[in-house]
Amino acid sequence: GAVVSQHPSRVICKSGTSVKIECRSLDFQATTMFWYRQFPKQSLMLMATSNEGSKATYEQGVEKDKFLINHASLTLSTLTVTSAHPEDSSFYICSARGNLRGYNSPLHFGNGTRLTVT
Amino acid sequence: KNEVEQSPQNLTAQEGEFITINCSYSVGISALHWLQQHPGGGIVSLFMLSSGKKKHGRLIATINIQEKHSSLHITASHPRDSAVYICAAPGGGADGLTFGKGTHLIIQP
Repeated sequence: GAVVSQHPSRVICKSGTSVKIECRSLDFQATTMFWYRQFPKQSLMLMATSNEGSKATYEQGVEKDKFLINHASLTLSTLTVTSAHPEDSSFYICSARGNLRGYNSPLHFGNGTRLTVT
Repeated sequence: KNEVEQSPQNLTAQEGEFITINCSYSVGISALHWLQQHPGGGIVSLFMLSSGKKKHGRLIATINIQEKHSSLHITASHPRDSAVYICAAPGGGADGLTFGKGTHLIIQP
């Protein structure tokens, strides 16, 4: 079945540094990928929609200059947390739709990245 | 925006018990997703359904479009079923999905 690979699974960084998270669709082309953030015991919150070959669409309240998204190919989207602060510590997870467009397309999730900023 | 409510928030049961998790939403939808999040955080899509019932192994998902309600059932529950189960419905965000807060299920041996 369709697989989305997310890397790294865990990262610890110092405050002020930048961290890049990769999300790859391994056996299908994903023109659209989604980045979520999840706080403990909370639901997934959409941060941005990553569109191949164009600018990402950010949700209200998400700083686009802090959370840089690049979707340079049909199989790779990256999220870079710039100048990380302890409050950025969270669980970040990506997803991609299958080959069909729209809400009825199956969702495929990465395994997530647990970011800890010290 | 669709409001998605799940119940119960937490559920602890003994191995072998029949489990039911409920999901209700406020706006009519074309398809609803059930997801499973493991303790490590990874998420697996269990079902996507738009009507009736779907079955996969010991998991059964049902949906009543008129009632705006869906249920996820687990038969002969096992400790490895322990996870957070999340339902998601269209109607929020750029990808059109609003996620419930999840049901934290623990199956004790």
